[in-house]
Amino acid sequence: SQQGEEDPQALSIQEGENATMNCSYKTSINNLQWYRQNSGRGLVHLILIRSNEREKHSGRLRVTLDTSKKSSSLLITASRAADTASYFCATGETSGSRLTFGEGTQLTVNP
Amino acid sequence: GAGVSQTPSNKVTEKGKYVELRCDPISGHTALYWYRQSLGQGPEFLIYFQGTGAADDSGLPNDRFFAVRPEGSVSTLKIQRTERGDSAVYLCASSIDSGGTDTQYFGPGTRLTVL
Repeated sequence: SQQGEEDPQALSIQEGENATMNCSYKTSINNLQWYRQNSGRGLVHLILIRSNEREKHSGRLRVTLDTSKKSSSLLITASRAADTASYFCATGETSGSRLTFGEGTQLTVNP
Repeated sequence: GAGVSQTPSNKVTEKGKYVELRCDPISGHTALYWYRQSLGQGPEFLIYFQGTGAADDSGLPNDRFFAVRPEGSVSTLKIQRTERGDSAVYLCASSIDSGGTDTQYFGPGTRLTVL
């Protein structure tokens, strides 16, 4: 079953703009991970944030985690056409090692 | 080094047939996972191996699905008496260790189509 809900389901922006995607989840977690997927195939890992962390940066990516609200956000700054993809959040539960994915946000960056 | 590889990349079969999907994890990764992704959805967990043993197989939808990892490296997902509803992309991932704290690295997936 899906745990996370991504918001929005689809986002279309112009190159150079920032893109923000949100993720909410239901159960307690050990960590939350963001992945990118092109053309419905393999997922590329972007960033992992642990439950005791509040914010993490990697290049143009910024991830926040609010465990009290059970939510996370992914910010992509200065977007590029190559950022066009589906973005998924996935939670690692405290009791096991499976990842539970949301349904994803389809990001389109127009050149 | 090489990432996770999966073969075949595409598999078309007829309803009722048996299929095997193969996953080669990153060398040295002890944990291996199988997920299934339907069109427009996020991946759904199927089974997780720690070494040779299945540590969690609670995501397997029914007894037509089975997976093995006999030597703690390569894994095979086996589907008996395939049904049209089994059509999906089957993704494999591996990580260095277990415990829900480590990054999972995904392969390119096998697209299974059951006619």
